[in-house]
Amino acid sequence: ETGVTQTPRHLVMGMTNKKSLKCEQHLGHNAMYWYKQSAKKPLELMFVYSLEERVENNSVPSRFSPECPNSSHLFLHLHTLQPEDSALYLCASSQGSGMVETQYFGPGTRLLVL
Amino acid sequence: LAKTTQPISMDSYEGQEVNITCSHNNIATNDYITWYQQFPSQGPRFIIQGYKTKVTNEVASLFIPADRKSSTLSLPRVSLSDTAVYYCLVGAYGGATNKLIFGTGTLLAVQP
Repeated sequence: ETGVTQTPRHLVMGMTNKKSLKCEQHLGHNAMYWYKQSAKKPLELMFVYSLEERVENNSVPSRFSPECPNSSHLFLHLHTLQPEDSALYLCASSQGSGMVETQYFGPGTRLLVL
Repeated sequence: LAKTTQPISMDSYEGQEVNITCSHNNIATNDYITWYQQFPSQGPRFIIQGYKTKVTNEVASLFIPADRKSSTLSLPRVSLSDTAVYYCLVGAYGGATNKLIFGTGTLLAVQP
C-alpha cells in the first residue's frame, strides 16, 4: 500500500466510449503524474501536475485529457481511444516536482480498448 | 537527461547476492542515481538513491564508483519474491518538472 489509489483497476471500453480514470493520493504530496506502460515497453510519462498546475505534457494525443481539481486527485479522461492505447496506466505522486523526488505509484488501471 | 544502460535480464537462485549494474556515461554533476522495482501489473516502487560512494538501506545497497559513470544495485540473499524488473534512473534536482525516464529495466528471475 503506497498511499496512492487508482480506480478502476480494470477497464474495457470501445473506441467510441468516454471513460475516466481516477487517482487519489493520501500522502499530502504536491505533484502528481500519469504514466502509460504498454506491453514490453518502458514506462512513458504522459502528464505532470505540480500544485494543480500542468507543468508537463509529453506530446500526448488529445484523446487523453487530464484534470487535477486539487492536489490529492488526478483524473485522466478518455475518449475515442484506439486499440493501441490499451496499456497499464499508472498514477504517481511526489512531495515536489524536483527531479529526484521519490515517486509513489498506484497499482495502475489495466485498460483494454476494443 | 542521462541515458542509462542495463542488462535486459538476469537469473539467480534463492539465497544468493545479486548485483545489477547500470551504465550512465553522460551523468551530469548534479545528477542522482535512483533505483526502482516493479512487480507485474503493479506500479514501480522506490528502492534506493545515491550520489556517490555507497548507500545502504534495509533492502539494498548501491555502489557508485568515483567517476559515477556506472552504479551497481546489490540485493543480499534474494528470495523468490524479489523476482521483478529493476530500473536505474539518473536525474537532478531542480527544474519545473520531474521527468523520470524509465528504460527497459532488468528483469531479475529468482529460482528456488
